[in-house]
Amino acid sequence: GAGVSQSPRYKVAKRGQDVALRCDPISGHVSLFWYQQALGQGPEFLTYFQNEAQLDKSGLPSDRFFAERPEGSVSTLKIQRTQQEDSAVYLCATKKLLAGLTQYFGPGTRLLVL
Amino acid sequence: KQEVTQIPAALSVPEGENLVLNCSFTDSAIYNLQWFRQDPGKGLTSLLLIQSSQREQTSGRLNASLDKSSGRSTLYIAASQPGDSATYLCAVKSYNTDKLIFGTGTRLQVFP
Repeated sequence: GAGVSQSPRYKVAKRGQDVALRCDPISGHVSLFWYQQALGQGPEFLTYFQNEAQLDKSGLPSDRFFAERPEGSVSTLKIQRTQQEDSAVYLCATKKLLAGLTQYFGPGTRLLVL
Repeated sequence: KQEVTQIPAALSVPEGENLVLNCSFTDSAIYNLQWFRQDPGKGLTSLLLIQSSQREQTSGRLNASLDKSSGRSTLYIAASQPGDSATYLCAVKSYNTDKLIFGTGTRLQVFP
């Protein structure tokens, strides 16, 4: 596709429910990032993949958060036993490998945990 | 730990005004700095990217400057238009990592 796509665009979950958020990168983009954006805040880094390798997961807030990219293309961010504080927009971004190039962001998934 | 701050948090101006948005960062050892635009319910769109060796970048009515030693960047918007209404975010990339550290953004409203 022409840009980064994310699904679903909106997700309402009951507290304690597991959710899975999907990111489809731009074709040929080796690097893939997940960010969490709380209301009124800037995005905060969660995790980063280069191809299928997860090189940095230092931003994941707890062991309830898990991300994977098994074939180096589509990525899934999974949140287990969701809590109200997980409510946020989850943004996926991808880029080509060369350092210094811009990241291209998807529209995000807005997660609301009730 | 790198921290990025943006002021003002919100700005409301009449159409036609020239604007300056400010971004400051605590660690001057950055690789580059970017300015993004975010419209409600949408992802981020990159406006300008300044490498650490550069002092400024221009695109149309937008001009971004970078003073790495003082940890500051400004985004200048000339002759603002209602279509410029959005949230503007700055983000820095450090060496040895590809992740971006974002500020909290400036919410801009330009009214006719």
